[in-house]
Amino acid sequence: DAGITQSPRHKVTETGTPVTLRCHQTENHRYMYWYRQDPGHGLRLIHYSYGVKDTDKGEVSDGYSVSRSKTEDFLLTLESATSSQTSVYFCAIRGSGGNTEAFFGQGTRLTVV
Amino acid sequence: KNQVEQSPQSLIILEGKNCTLQCNYTVSPFSNLRWYKQDTGRGPVSLTIMTFSENTKSNGRYTATLDADTKQSSLHITASQLSDSASYICVVSATSRGGGNKLTFGTGTQLKVEL
Repeated sequence: DAGITQSPRHKVTETGTPVTLRCHQTENHRYMYWYRQDPGHGLRLIHYSYGVKDTDKGEVSDGYSVSRSKTEDFLLTLESATSSQTSVYFCAIRGSGGNTEAFFGQGTRLTVV
Repeated sequence: KNQVEQSPQSLIILEGKNCTLQCNYTVSPFSNLRWYKQDTGRGPVSLTIMTFSENTKSNGRYTATLDADTKQSSLHITASQLSDSASYICVVSATSRGGGNKLTFGTGTQLKVEL
């Protein structure tokens, strides 16, 4: 597996509580991404980062924020979790260059009750 | 709006048989097309990446084709094995700000290989 680790792997949380998911890489790749995967939908981009402190919104960014204070870590925060954010979250990393391969983490299954 | 559509949604084949999965896309500006394999409970793993100028690319028993004019791609699996049972996802990459190449994912074809 590429050097990418997501934590936690599973989490159950209550509506209204803040949640932070962590993505850690050891590949020194420039680009990092957060996706969510739901039945009937392809993976959808939440936020991505193209460098330390450089981030941009994806197609489903509402209710999520991210931070990247160092190359190896990309954090996804749900400020106030809602049941609609129950999903499987994947982090991905990619090196520079348009055609480089993207490597995905194992995923975090988040349940908001 | 960028879209990627895959067919069929699901497929069951016997071990040893071949199969072909389809992908149609409307993504611009096009950068490349990727096929991923996703086992249950795991993250997607790349099988092939094709740029505009590439018509075909192979990775073992997997062969992907790309017709950039009609915006169609296919993934052919030869001599299927039980371990091929997975979701196969077509992903089209478009160039974006910062060079991050935003990926648009299809919903996948769920393949089951049976004895």
